[in-house]
Amino acid sequence: GNSVTQMEGPVTLSEEAFLTINCTYTATGYPSLFWYVQYPGEGLQLLLKATKADDKGSNKGFEATYRKETTSFHLEKGSVQVSDSAVYFCALSESHTGANSKLTFGKGITLSVRP
Amino acid sequence: DTAVSQTPKYLVTQMGNDKSIKCEQNLGHDTMYWYKQDSKKFLKIMFSYNNKELIINETVPNRFSPKSPDKAHLNLHINSLELGDSAVYFCASSQGAQGGTGELFFGEGSRLTVL
Repeated sequence: GNSVTQMEGPVTLSEEAFLTINCTYTATGYPSLFWYVQYPGEGLQLLLKATKADDKGSNKGFEATYRKETTSFHLEKGSVQVSDSAVYFCALSESHTGANSKLTFGKGITLSVRP
Repeated sequence: DTAVSQTPKYLVTQMGNDKSIKCEQNLGHDTMYWYKQDSKKFLKIMFSYNNKELIINETVPNRFSPKSPDKAHLNLHINSLELGDSAVYFCASSQGAQGGTGELFFGEGSRLTVL
């Protein structure tokens, strides 16, 4: 079956540090890949996505590149801010169509950024 | 104006009781979901409804019964609550199936504590 593996957390960084959060996946076929973010006390919201190999998703200074050869979708940001403190989820969808296709989430990783 | 709203936000109850959580979305989406997030932030899909029809039921005990009176509402009723039901329950919606764009819109969550 499909699965998403994220690096173990939590992660604590100082403001302006470089961020990498690793994500690898296992899937049959050609999934779409996503990063969701959950700020304290809120629901998840889509951060960025990539729908095919070598696509790069980007938003709010975050980037992730769909790497089919390494089955990875690592999230990066060059300079984190305190406001980036949140839980980050990597996810994949198993198909582009079909009413019963679904998102599979990784376990999430908590990022804390110190001033 | 909240896109996906859940009530109540917090629920504390005794083992064996029956409780309901309500969800409404005003985005005009045709698919709604219930997710369970455990204490380690792991997020797992429970149910998905498309135009009031159940399309995903992920091996959830039959003590959990979703009901969708119309495509803007998806309620979750839980009978005979157990300690292990303590979690945050998230409602979400999307236009089309999750595999379509992968973008789900989440509510703020309902934290259920069973004593």
